[in-house]
Amino acid sequence: LAKTTQPISMDSYEGQEVNITCSHNNIATNDYITWYQQFPSQGPRFIIQGYKTKVTNEVASLFIPADRKSSTLSLPRVSLSDTAVYYCLVVIYNTDKLIFGTGTRLQVFP
Amino acid sequence: EADIYQTPRYLVIGTGKKITLECSQTMGHDKMYWYQQDPGMELHLIHYSYGVNSTEKGDLSSESTVSRIRTEHFPLTLESARPSHTSQYLCASSKPLDNSPLHFGNGTRLTVT
Repeated sequence: LAKTTQPISMDSYEGQEVNITCSHNNIATNDYITWYQQFPSQGPRFIIQGYKTKVTNEVASLFIPADRKSSTLSLPRVSLSDTAVYYCLVVIYNTDKLIFGTGTRLQVFP
Repeated sequence: EADIYQTPRYLVIGTGKKITLECSQTMGHDKMYWYQQDPGMELHLIHYSYGVNSTEKGDLSSESTVSRIRTEHFPLTLESARPSHTSQYLCASSKPLDNSPLHFGNGTRLTVT
């Protein structure tokens, strides 16, 4: 199974751009990369998913280099409400299991 | 925006009791999942279902059981609760398509005394 590695924690200030990098050296050809956000006492919430290059939606961007061994979640201009745990996952093709790691705990300060 | 509902939200129960954690979704999703998460820790998949009458065990050994009699309903049952079952239980669902994102409920926080 493709294991992911990401920083345990990150700190930022309101208004800054935050980039969280995840490594997934064993990613297979048809696997996808997906990111979830989790607030305390809530279930995770899907943020963004991609296969290669760059994906952007209304809340984040996802950058995936050509070798796909890593990916970077970019949160533009974070606010206090972005304080949460962010999980990077490799979605293994044709399976129904998502393997969550320990995630990155982002703390945004005023 | 919650289309997946878990009840109860919090539950404190004594050792040996039988409990059922409810999970319902209104999105018509075929796939449903149960994850277990201890505070500050990662999520572990304990059960999942492809659809009605389908149930599979996940990667984490669990003493719980599940059933899927209706598409929208995926209850999890503990026949005899123990303090080691104290945890948060998260239910999720997704479309049948590969790589469809999971929609999670807000969880049931279970404490067994």
